[in-house]
Amino acid sequence: AQSVTQLGSHVSVSEGALVLLRCNYSSSVPPYLFWYVQYPNQGLQLLLKYTTGATLVKGINGFEAEFKKSETSFHLTKPSAHMSDAAEYFCAVSDLYEGKLIFGQGTTLQVKP
Amino acid sequence: EAEVAQSPRYKITEKSQAVAFWCDPISGHATLYWYRQILGQGPELLVQFQDESVVDDSQLPKDRFSAERLKGVDSTLKIQPAELGDSAMYLCASSRSGGGSFDIQYFGAGTRLSVL
Repeated sequence: AQSVTQLGSHVSVSEGALVLLRCNYSSSVPPYLFWYVQYPNQGLQLLLKYTTGATLVKGINGFEAEFKKSETSFHLTKPSAHMSDAAEYFCAVSDLYEGKLIFGQGTTLQVKP
Repeated sequence: EAEVAQSPRYKITEKSQAVAFWCDPISGHATLYWYRQILGQGPELLVQFQDESVVDDSQLPKDRFSAERLKGVDSTLKIQPAELGDSAMYLCASSRSGGGSFDIQYFGAGTRLSVL
């Protein structure tokens, strides 16, 4: 069975600081990995995805994530936080054959002025 | 840009009443998903449709929840009777393909249900 663990339910950074949101996964087959962002009372928007190929993937709004198989991790980073980045972030796992996404518990990102 | 449409956005109901949520996926998307997101948690799949057929409803509480996608386009999720623990955000998502291949899921804005 697949699972996702997001380390830290709440992360606070200053505007302009590095953003690092941690995600570890468990999967018995090659995983497909995703980061979604959710603003209050809205649905989920895809930030980036890893399926195959290059392990460093770039997404929207300046975010990127690196797939590290040896560490079973897919951490999300952004060099410089903006106030508009404040939201809930979800890491999710799937695979080639599974349609459904398995989500982590989410990490709330707070950006302080 | 095409979107997944959901209605209503908010629903308040009393315990033991019936509620229904509607979802219209992106045109041409064969696969439709209903997820439940309890406050402070990640979404969990309730039911997955491939066209009009149910592919996965293993996590759907079938004693009170039902879902249908009669013509393989829009879908309705029903709860009868509603319980306090059903208070959550109900998210609909769709993807172009399914059934042995993978495609990105696009999410609607959700229906927030409050059961009093």
